[in-house]
Amino acid sequence: EVQLVESGGGLVQPGGSLRLSCAASGFAFSSYAMTWVRQAPGKGLEWVSGISASGGSTYYADSVKGRFTISRDNSKNTLYLQMNSLRAEDTAVYYCAKGSRAAAGSSYFDFWGQGTLVTVSS
Amino acid sequence: DIQMTQSPSTLSASVGDRVTITCRATQSISNWLAWYQQKPGKAPKLLIYKASSLESGVPSRFSGSGSGAEFTLTISSLQPDDFATYYCQQYNSYPWTFGQGTKVEIK
Repeated sequence: EVQLVESGGGLVQPGGSLRLSCAASGFAFSSYAMTWVRQAPGKGLEWVSGISASGGSTYYADSVKGRFTISRDNSKNTLYLQMNSLRAEDTAVYYCAKGSRAAAGSSYFDFWGQGTLVTVSS
Repeated sequence: DIQMTQSPSTLSASVGDRVTITCRATQSISNWLAWYQQKPGKAPKLLIYKASSLESGVPSRFSGSGSGAEFTLTISSLQPDDFATYYCQQYNSYPWTFGQGTKVEIK
């Protein structure tokens, strides 16, 4: 059974940093692209960042480019999102999701974690 | 960026109704479109990929159609478990973008 378990969310002040983790199990983690999608309270889904299976290709939404860094450790079956210079508008539930193929391009999201809440507030 | 627009934003329907949700892209995305279902407090769940391919385990009352820039999600006979919010998403080109969502409510 595919499982994705996010952790690392919490309350942080504007300008602060957090690192989210997503522990994967039940599938060949190193063979699939992964992504982060967020959802602000009461709002829709927003794609944040994606990474290829090897980690060699990364992609970011303009809203987080230069502040967030996606990475993965295939030896630990874990996906990460380093979030720096956080703003109030980054407040959201952050979901990790498994891509349908190794390349991030043309890859939809076939399994999602339950999400971790990030709140940016003073 | 490719913008995705869903209509309607809210839909009131009864159990047994046939329901159709439309998703339009600002440019052609071929058939690189997925549909997700989300219930309150839960993660999204994949229903349809490549515009019309039904994900394994998803009931056959769900179907998708379309190509280019206009797509539809149809629920042939609405069931109590189907009251939720539905999102389309294009994966033709970065940045991946979602529609704003369609909430299916009980009439």
